[in-house]
Amino acid sequence: DAKTTQPNSMESNEEEPVHLPCNHSTISGTDYIHWYRQLPSQGPEYVIHGLTSNVNNRMASLAIAEDRKSSTLILHRATLRDAAVYYCILSGPNQGGKLIFGQGTELSVKP
Amino acid sequence: KAGVTQTPRYLIKTRGQQVTLSCSPISGHRSVSWYQQTPGQGLQFLFEYFSETQRNKGNFPGRFSGRQFSNSRSEMNVSTLELGDSALYLCASSIRPGGQGNEKLFFGSGTQLSVL
Repeated sequence: DAKTTQPNSMESNEEEPVHLPCNHSTISGTDYIHWYRQLPSQGPEYVIHGLTSNVNNRMASLAIAEDRKSSTLILHRATLRDAAVYYCILSGPNQGGKLIFGQGTELSVKP
Repeated sequence: KAGVTQTPRYLIKTRGQQVTLSCSPISGHRSVSWYQQTPGQGLQFLFEYFSETQRNKGNFPGRFSGRQFSNSRSEMNVSTLELGDSALYLCASSIRPGGQGNEKLFFGSGTQLSVL
C-alpha cells in the first residue's frame, strides 16, 4: 500500500497560516491525495482532496508538487478550533478506494 | 442534512461476549465503511459495504463481520470479544463506493467499546 510520511507534531500561532507537509514518494498515477482531520472525541472530518492540480475550498488549500511525490495542506488563518490530528492519505484503485491512515500530524494552535 | 449516526456511543462488554454496533449513513449515501481506532494501531479499515454487498475487507479475523440493509443502514458484529477489541469503532458513509479513490467520506462520532 502507498505510504505517506508526515511530521508527528507542529505548532502554530492563532491567525497565522499553517503549512502541513506530506511526503508520498511511492504514489501511483491513479492515487488521490486526501486530507482528513480528527478533533478530540470526534470521528475524522474530510478537509480536501486532489489528484494533480492544486485545490482550494472553504476550509483549506492543497498544494501538490509537480512530480506528485509531496503535497502541502495550507490553513490560511489558524484558529484554536483547527487544533487536531491531520492525516494525509493516498486513496485509489490500488487500495480499493479504502483510506489507509498513518499516524498523522498533531497540530497545536497557540492563542 | 443529518450526519452519520452511530449507536450506541459507549458500550462495556466482557470477554467472550458478542456485540453489535449500528450505523445510519447520511441520507442518499449508499456506501458504508467501518474503521477501528486504537492508541497503538491508529485507524484501521475493517470493511466496506455498498448495495448490501461487502466490497472490500481489511485484515481482521473472522470474528469481525458486518452487513448492510436495503435502506443502507449498516451493522457490524464482533463475536467472542477479546480485551484487544477495546477500541473506538467508526463508521463512514459516502455516496458511491470508494473504489477509485475520489470519494469523500463522512464519519460518525464512533462507538467506544470497552472489553473487560
